[in-house]
Amino acid sequence: NAGVTQTPKFQVLKTGQSMTLQCAQDMNHEYMSWYRQDPGMGLRLIHYSVGAGITDQGEVPNGYNVSRSTTEDFPLRLLSAAPSQTSVYFCASSYSQLSNQPQHFGDGTRLSIL
Amino acid sequence: AQSVAQPEDQVNVAEGNPLTVKCTYSVSGNPYLFWYVQYPNRGLQFLLKYITGDNLVKGSYGFEAEFNKSQTSFHLKKPSALVSDSALYFCALRPDYKLSFGAGTTVTVRA
Repeated sequence: NAGVTQTPKFQVLKTGQSMTLQCAQDMNHEYMSWYRQDPGMGLRLIHYSVGAGITDQGEVPNGYNVSRSTTEDFPLRLLSAAPSQTSVYFCASSYSQLSNQPQHFGDGTRLSIL
Repeated sequence: AQSVAQPEDQVNVAEGNPLTVKCTYSVSGNPYLFWYVQYPNRGLQFLLKYITGDNLVKGSYGFEAEFNKSQTSFHLKKPSALVSDSALYFCALRPDYKLSFGAGTTVTVRA
Protein backbone atom coordinates (compact mmCIF):
# COMPACT_ATOMS: atom_id res chain seq x y z
CA ASN A 1 0.00 0.00 0.00
CA ALA A 2 1.64 3.21 -1.20
CA GLY A 3 -0.72 5.63 0.59
CA VAL A 4 0.52 9.23 0.22
CA THR A 5 3.76 9.60 -1.72
CA GLN A 6 5.82 12.79 -1.69
CA THR A 7 8.77 13.62 -3.91
CA PRO A 8 11.48 14.69 -3.54
CA LYS A 9 12.41 13.80 0.05
CA PHE A 10 15.09 16.47 0.26
CA GLN A 11 15.79 19.61 -1.76
CA VAL A 12 18.11 22.60 -1.54
CA LEU A 13 17.21 25.73 -3.47
CA LYS A 14 18.67 29.16 -3.94
CA THR A 15 16.63 32.25 -3.16
CA GLY A 16 14.44 33.15 -6.11
CA GLN A 17 14.33 29.70 -7.65
CA SER A 18 11.02 27.97 -8.25
CA MET A 19 10.12 24.34 -7.77
CA THR A 20 7.22 21.95 -7.46
CA LEU A 21 6.73 19.51 -4.61
CA GLN A 22 4.85 16.45 -5.78
CA CYS A 23 2.14 14.63 -3.85
CA ALA A 24 0.19 11.59 -5.02
CA GLN A 25 -2.26 9.32 -3.23
CA ASP A 26 -3.70 6.01 -4.38
CA MET A 27 -6.63 5.76 -1.96
CA ASN A 28 -9.16 7.65 -4.08
CA HIS A 29 -9.37 10.32 -1.40
CA GLU A 30 -11.31 13.45 -2.24
CA TYR A 31 -9.66 15.75 0.30
CA MET A 32 -5.98 16.68 0.05
CA SER A 33 -3.93 19.29 1.84
CA TRP A 34 -0.45 20.72 2.26
CA TYR A 35 1.13 21.66 5.60
CA ARG A 36 4.46 23.07 6.63
CA GLN A 37 6.08 22.03 9.89
CA ASP A 38 8.36 24.41 11.75
CA PRO A 39 9.87 23.84 15.21
CA GLY A 40 7.53 24.80 18.06
CA MET A 41 4.71 25.72 15.70
CA GLY A 42 3.09 22.41 14.92
CA LEU A 43 1.77 22.02 11.40
CA ARG A 44 0.21 24.93 9.55
CA LEU A 45 -2.16 24.51 6.64
CA ILE A 46 -0.98 26.04 3.36
CA HIS A 47 -3.62 25.01 0.81
CA TYR A 48 -6.26 22.35 0.56
CA SER A 49 -8.56 20.76 -2.00
CA VAL A 50 -11.94 19.11 -1.51
CA GLY A 51 -11.91 17.50 -4.94
CA ALA A 52 -10.50 17.67 -8.46
CA GLY A 53 -10.66 21.22 -9.80
CA ILE A 54 -11.31 22.78 -6.38
CA THR A 55 -8.63 24.39 -4.23
CA ASP A 56 -8.62 26.95 -1.44
CA GLN A 57 -6.22 28.77 0.82
CA GLY A 58 -5.28 27.69 4.30
CA GLU A 59 -3.56 29.54 7.11
CA VAL A 60 -0.26 30.41 5.37
CA PRO A 61 -0.81 30.47 1.57
CA ASN A 62 1.47 33.33 0.53
CA GLY A 63 4.25 32.31 -1.84
CA TYR A 64 2.63 29.00 -2.75
CA ASN A 65 0.33 27.83 -5.52
CA VAL A 66 -1.56 24.57 -5.93
CA SER A 67 -3.68 22.85 -8.54
CA ARG A 68 -5.80 19.69 -8.53
CA SER A 69 -6.33 18.40 -12.04
CA THR A 70 -6.83 14.80 -10.92
CA THR A 71 -8.07 13.10 -7.77
CA GLU A 72 -4.66 11.49 -7.23
CA ASP A 73 -2.25 14.42 -7.54
CA PHE A 74 -1.90 17.67 -5.62
CA PRO A 75 1.37 19.48 -6.42
CA LEU A 76 2.60 22.46 -4.43
CA ARG A 77 4.52 25.16 -6.29
CA LEU A 78 6.95 27.63 -4.79
CA LEU A 79 6.97 30.57 -7.16
CA SER A 80 10.11 32.40 -5.95
CA ALA A 81 11.75 30.65 -3.03
CA ALA A 82 12.63 32.66 0.06
CA PRO A 83 14.67 31.61 3.13
CA SER A 84 11.48 31.87 5.23
CA GLN A 85 10.12 28.93 3.26
CA THR A 86 12.79 26.61 4.64
CA SER A 87 10.68 23.97 6.31
CA VAL A 88 9.41 20.42 6.19
CA TYR A 89 6.38 20.07 3.95
CA PHE A 90 3.73 17.41 4.41
CA CYS A 91 0.96 16.37 2.11
CA ALA A 92 -2.10 14.70 3.60
CA SER A 93 -5.34 13.20 2.35
CA SER A 94 -8.62 11.93 3.71
CA TYR A 95 -11.62 10.16 2.26
CA SER A 96 -13.72 13.29 2.43
CA GLN A 97 -13.76 16.77 3.85
CA LEU A 98 -15.99 15.65 6.70
CA SER A 99 -14.62 16.60 10.07
CA ASN A 100 -14.60 13.05 11.45
CA GLN A 101 -12.13 11.75 8.89
CA PRO A 102 -8.51 11.24 9.99
CA GLN A 103 -5.87 12.34 7.54
CA HIS A 104 -3.13 10.18 6.04
CA PHE A 105 0.26 11.85 5.76
CA GLY A 106 3.20 11.43 3.45
CA ASP A 107 6.74 11.24 4.83
CA GLY A 108 7.51 14.85 3.97
CA THR A 109 9.82 16.93 1.83
CA ARG A 110 12.66 18.66 3.66
CA LEU A 111 13.34 21.92 1.88
CA SER A 112 16.24 24.28 2.52
CA ILE A 113 16.48 27.64 0.82
CA LEU A 114 19.82 29.40 0.84
CA ALA B 1 -11.61 31.37 17.60
CA GLN B 2 -10.89 27.68 17.42
CA SER B 3 -7.60 26.41 18.73
CA VAL B 4 -5.80 23.57 20.39
CA ALA B 5 -2.97 23.82 22.91
CA GLN B 6 -0.41 21.39 24.23
CA PRO B 7 0.92 22.95 27.44
CA GLU B 8 4.02 20.76 27.73
CA ASP B 9 6.87 20.89 25.21
CA GLN B 10 8.43 17.74 26.66
CA VAL B 11 7.36 14.79 28.76
CA ASN B 12 9.89 12.39 30.26
CA VAL B 13 8.89 9.09 31.83
CA ALA B 14 10.54 5.82 32.79
CA GLU B 15 9.65 2.68 30.89
CA GLY B 16 6.75 0.89 32.52
CA ASN B 17 5.34 4.06 34.08
CA PRO B 18 2.09 5.71 33.00
CA LEU B 19 2.34 8.28 30.22
CA THR B 20 0.09 11.31 29.87
CA VAL B 21 0.28 13.95 27.14
CA LYS B 22 -1.98 16.94 27.72
CA CYS B 23 -4.20 18.76 25.23
CA THR B 24 -6.80 21.48 25.67
CA TYR B 25 -9.06 22.93 23.03
CA SER B 26 -11.33 25.84 22.27
CA VAL B 27 -14.11 25.49 19.70
CA SER B 28 -17.67 26.53 19.06
CA GLY B 29 -19.80 23.56 18.17
CA ASN B 30 -18.82 19.91 18.20
CA PRO B 31 -15.15 19.23 18.82
CA TYR B 32 -13.68 16.62 16.51
CA LEU B 33 -10.35 15.82 18.16
CA PHE B 34 -7.43 13.72 17.00
CA TRP B 35 -4.06 12.50 18.22
CA TYR B 36 -1.18 11.86 15.84
CA VAL B 37 2.35 10.59 16.46
CA GLN B 38 5.46 11.46 14.46
CA TYR B 39 8.63 9.38 14.50
CA PRO B 40 11.91 10.91 13.26
CA ASN B 41 11.98 11.67 9.54
CA ARG B 42 8.47 10.33 9.06
CA GLY B 43 5.03 11.75 8.49
CA LEU B 44 2.31 11.87 11.10
CA GLN B 45 0.47 8.68 11.96
CA PHE B 46 -3.11 8.67 13.20
CA LEU B 47 -3.52 7.28 16.74
CA LEU B 48 -7.14 7.92 17.70
CA LYS B 49 -10.05 10.31 17.43
CA TYR B 50 -13.00 11.57 19.40
CA ILE B 51 -16.17 12.33 17.46
CA THR B 52 -18.99 11.61 19.86
CA GLY B 53 -20.07 9.00 22.37
CA ASP B 54 -17.85 7.49 25.05
CA ASN B 55 -15.46 9.90 26.67
CA LEU B 56 -12.70 7.27 26.77
CA VAL B 57 -11.39 6.55 23.29
CA LYS B 58 -9.07 3.64 22.57
CA GLY B 59 -6.55 3.80 19.75
CA SER B 60 -3.46 2.21 18.26
CA TYR B 61 -0.41 0.87 20.13
CA GLY B 62 -2.21 0.73 23.50
CA PHE B 63 -2.96 4.45 23.63
CA GLU B 64 -6.22 5.91 24.84
CA ALA B 65 -7.53 9.41 25.34
CA GLU B 66 -10.05 10.90 27.71
CA PHE B 67 -12.41 13.59 26.46
CA ASN B 68 -13.54 16.02 29.16
CA LYS B 69 -16.05 18.58 27.97
CA SER B 70 -16.18 20.61 31.18
CA GLN B 71 -12.40 21.02 31.22
CA THR B 72 -12.17 21.24 27.40
CA SER B 73 -9.39 18.67 27.46
CA PHE B 74 -8.42 15.61 25.46
CA HIS B 75 -5.42 14.06 27.19
CA LEU B 76 -3.58 11.12 25.65
CA LYS B 77 -2.67 8.28 28.00
CA LYS B 78 -0.86 4.99 28.05
CA PRO B 79 -0.84 2.84 31.20
CA SER B 80 2.69 1.48 30.71
CA ALA B 81 5.09 3.37 28.45
CA LEU B 82 7.67 1.70 26.20
CA VAL B 83 10.99 3.08 24.98
CA SER B 84 9.56 2.76 21.46
CA ASP B 85 6.85 5.30 22.40
CA SER B 86 9.49 8.04 22.30
CA ALA B 87 8.28 10.39 19.58
CA LEU B 88 6.59 13.72 18.87
CA TYR B 89 2.87 13.78 19.62
CA PHE B 90 0.34 16.18 18.16
CA CYS B 91 -3.18 16.95 19.25
CA ALA B 92 -5.43 18.28 16.48
CA LEU B 93 -8.86 19.84 16.17
CA ARG B 94 -11.02 19.63 13.08
CA PRO B 95 -14.11 21.80 13.48
CA ASP B 96 -14.63 21.93 9.71
CA TYR B 97 -12.58 20.85 6.71
CA LYS B 98 -9.38 22.29 8.16
CA LEU B 99 -7.18 20.56 10.72
CA SER B 100 -5.59 22.73 13.41
CA PHE B 101 -2.61 21.31 15.27
CA GLY B 102 -1.08 21.96 18.63
CA ALA B 103 2.63 22.75 18.77
CA GLY B 104 3.50 19.18 19.69
CA THR B 105 4.90 17.40 22.74
CA THR B 106 8.15 15.46 22.62
CA VAL B 107 7.90 12.27 24.66
CA THR B 108 11.04 10.56 25.88
CA VAL B 109 10.75 7.19 27.57
CA ARG B 110 13.96 6.13 29.32
CA ALA B 111 14.88 2.51 29.84
